[in-house]
Amino acid sequence: LAKTTQPISMDSYEGQEVNITCSHNNIATNDYITWYQQFPSQGPRFIIQGYKTKVTNEVASLFIPADRKSSTLSLPRVSLSDTAVYYCLVGDKQGIKTIFGAGTRLFVKA
Amino acid sequence: DTGVSQNPRHKITKRGQNVTFRCDPISEHNRLYWYRQTLGQGPEFLTYFQNEAQLEKSRLLSDRFSAERPKGSFSTLEIQRTEQGDSAMYLCASSVQETQYFGPGTRLLVL
Repeated sequence: LAKTTQPISMDSYEGQEVNITCSHNNIATNDYITWYQQFPSQGPRFIIQGYKTKVTNEVASLFIPADRKSSTLSLPRVSLSDTAVYYCLVGDKQGIKTIFGAGTRLFVKA
Repeated sequence: DTGVSQNPRHKITKRGQNVTFRCDPISEHNRLYWYRQTLGQGPEFLTYFQNEAQLEKSRLLSDRFSAERPKGSFSTLEIQRTEQGDSAMYLCASSVQETQYFGPGTRLLVL
């Protein structure tokens, strides 16, 4: 099972773009990369998922280089409500035994 | 879509008591997962069901823990003879394919 490494914390200001990079050197061929957001006392919430290149949805973009050994979650124009913990996960198609790391604590300041 | 629901949301119990938590997954999600999360850490995988079959169990799931999903719909997680170290948030998630949708969790405090 691939392990992920993320920065422990990041600070940003409202309106800025935030990029959180995750390394997963041992990612397997069939693994997908998924990012979750978690607020205190709530369950994680799915943000975005990808396999390669770039994926974009209404809340974020996910950039995955060709070697897939890392990925970058991009949050455009963050607001105070984006203050949360962000988890990067890699897992097989079935998502079994998903390993969460400690996550990245993002603090958005006014 | 009502999302994943978990009950109770909070549970306080005394050491040595048994507790049971319930998870209702999103309708038609055949996969169901249980996780445990302690303060400041990410969720840790406990077990996984596909329909009613329990296919994976973590080593974290000691013999005091048992999970069931009798009809392939809701699931229960029981902890027998609770210990203070069992205090944590217990999260349930369900999925059809890769994306897991989490419930709000049950916070357990063992006194």
